[in-house]
Amino acid sequence: QLQLQESGPGLVKPSETLSLTCTVSGDSISSSSYYWGWIRQPPGKGLEWIGNIYYSESTYINPSLRSRVTISVDTSKNQFSLKLSSATAADTAVYYCAREWEFFDYWGQGTLVTVSS
Amino acid sequence: EKVMTQSPATLSVSPGERATLSCRASESVSIKLAWYQQKPGQAPRLLIYDASTRATGIPARFSGSGSGTEFTLTISSLQSEDFAVYYCQQFYNWPRTFGQGTKVEVK
Repeated sequence: QLQLQESGPGLVKPSETLSLTCTVSGDSISSSSYYWGWIRQPPGKGLEWIGNIYYSESTYINPSLRSRVTISVDTSKNQFSLKLSSATAADTAVYYCAREWEFFDYWGQGTLVTVSS
Repeated sequence: EKVMTQSPATLSVSPGERATLSCRASESVSIKLAWYQQKPGQAPRLLIYDASTRATGIPARFSGSGSGTEFTLTISSLQSEDFAVYYCQQFYNWPRTFGQGTKVEVK
């Protein structure tokens, strides 16, 4: 059974970089034909797609966040990561990682990241 | 970017009744549309993809229809576990975009 688990700091100071990692178990990132994505959800609000990465390291990033987002993959650890620079309070959200085959069929449980001093 | 608009924002339905949720795309997405269910404190769960194909393990009371710009999710007979927020998402192109959600609540 495929499982995804987000990890990283739950509190980030304004202007700093938000960094999260998603660990995948039950499938190999490098052997599958899927993209691996990040989605976020501000408290009480809807879902926003951040971007994704393929094991070959090709990425697609939401244009609204492109200048601040980096997504990378570590196939040796079966992990992929998100970095969001210059964080502000507007980046406070639950961050989900998910397997993406056009739609999102497996999700992590999500991790709340609060941007506050 | 394709904008997805869901209606209504809130739907009040009695258990056992039928619920009909709508999703409209700003431009055609063909049948490249998915529906998700989200309960409080949980990640979204995939219900429907390709507008009308149920995901693995999804009960038959959930059905999807539509193509182009107009889509519908129907829950034929609401069970207690179906009260949740539902999102549509287009995967016709990038960036993937979601609707703002429809909350299905107990009437």
